[in-house]
Order: sequence, then C-alpha cells, then structure tokens
Amino acid sequence: EDQVTQSPEALRLQEGESSSLNCSYTVSGLRGLFWYRQDPGKGPEFLFTLYSAGEEKEKERLKATLTKKESFLHITAPKPEDSATYLCAVQPRGWKTYDKVIFGPGTSLSVIP
Amino acid sequence: NAGVTQTPKFQVLKTGQSMTLQCAQDMNHEYMSWYRQDPGMGLRLIHYSVGAGITDQGEVPNGYNVSRSTTEDFPLRLLSAAPSQTSVYFCASTAETGGLRSPLHFGNGTRLTVT
Repeated sequence: EDQVTQSPEALRLQEGESSSLNCSYTVSGLRGLFWYRQDPGKGPEFLFTLYSAGEEKEKERLKATLTKKESFLHITAPKPEDSATYLCAVQPRGWKTYDKVIFGPGTSLSVIP
Repeated sequence: NAGVTQTPKFQVLKTGQSMTLQCAQDMNHEYMSWYRQDPGMGLRLIHYSVGAGITDQGEVPNGYNVSRSTTEDFPLRLLSAAPSQTSVYFCASTAETGGLRSPLHFGNGTRLTVT
C-alpha cells in the first residue's frame, strides 16, 4: 500500500537552531514529491517539487533533498516566522494527475525566539 | 488576485442537515478538488474535476456531492451531515490536468462541526 509518513510529529527549536524534517514514502516508483507549508487557519502553500533522487531545491532558509526512500527538509538558522506545519506529498509513478497524490500528516514546527 | 476563495470559514450543523461549501477560483484553472484534513492524518481527496462538466470521486467520496457547471466554481454538498464529517475542508486548483509542473493552490479552508 502506498504510504507517506513524516517525522517528527512536532518539533520545537530555538531561533537559530538548525534541524531537519523527514518524509518517508513507500510507493511503487516516484513521479514527484512536494513540500507545502501550512500556517494555522490557512491552506497549504507550495514550497518545492522534487523529481529524482539526488535533487535539491532551496528557498531562503529551507533546503529540500530527495533520496529513493525519503526526503528531508533542512531548516538553517530558523526564525520564529518559520513556525508552521510542513506537509509532504508524493505522486506515484504512472499517474499524471493530482488525484493520485498522497499527503503525509505533517510536522508541526515551532521556533522559539 | 484572490486565488482560491472558500466560504464560509466556519459552520456548525446538526446531524442530518445539509449544506453547500462554496469554492471559487479566478486563475482559470481547469483542475479543482476538495480535500478534508483531520488531526494526525494527511489531506484526503473527496472529489475532483478536470474541467467544467467533468467530476470524479477521490478517496473518501461517501456523503458528499459535487458539480462543476463553470470553470470558476466547484461547490461541495453535504447531503445529510454526520458527526464523522466534522473536519476542515480545503478546495484546491491547478492549471494543468496532467503532469506536475504546476502546483496545487489551496483556499483557506472551511472548518465544519457536526453535532
């Protein structure tokens, strides 16, 4: 069964304390992996798409990496405004439409000043 | 540029009542979809549409109906509300119906409580 898990469920960091969030997936081949950010009371906001193992994408203090079984979202020197829930989603190979995308449960990140 | 607009933001229903959650997008996107988000679970697809007049079921369609008469609007109808439908509902859209080069754009959700 295709599945996406994320760890940890919640993460509390001091401002400036770098860390990583994990997204592990078990699918029959990967077409694409997405990272979204979700602020409280808001809808998810797109961050990155990764397509193949070894690929990396960066945006400000965030860097997403991809291996054959997992993806990491590295947060370097986080600020309080980085506090949010980060969602990972996976598109199995062989499907081109978003109806087959599987979302993970998310990691809730809190950055303390 | 409003993006994806959902109304209402909050709603309380009694068991057995019906209602419609509204979703509108102003980006001329062909693909629209409805998700529900429950604690500890990933977003789950309810229904989706690849264009006006075309709809299909997602992972959890029971108890919900949709229609797509225009490109802009994609309402979600709860036929007879049940406590199990207490959730946060998100509407999303994207420019393409195939391929992943265009990301999903989400609305800000409707928080529904069924008592």
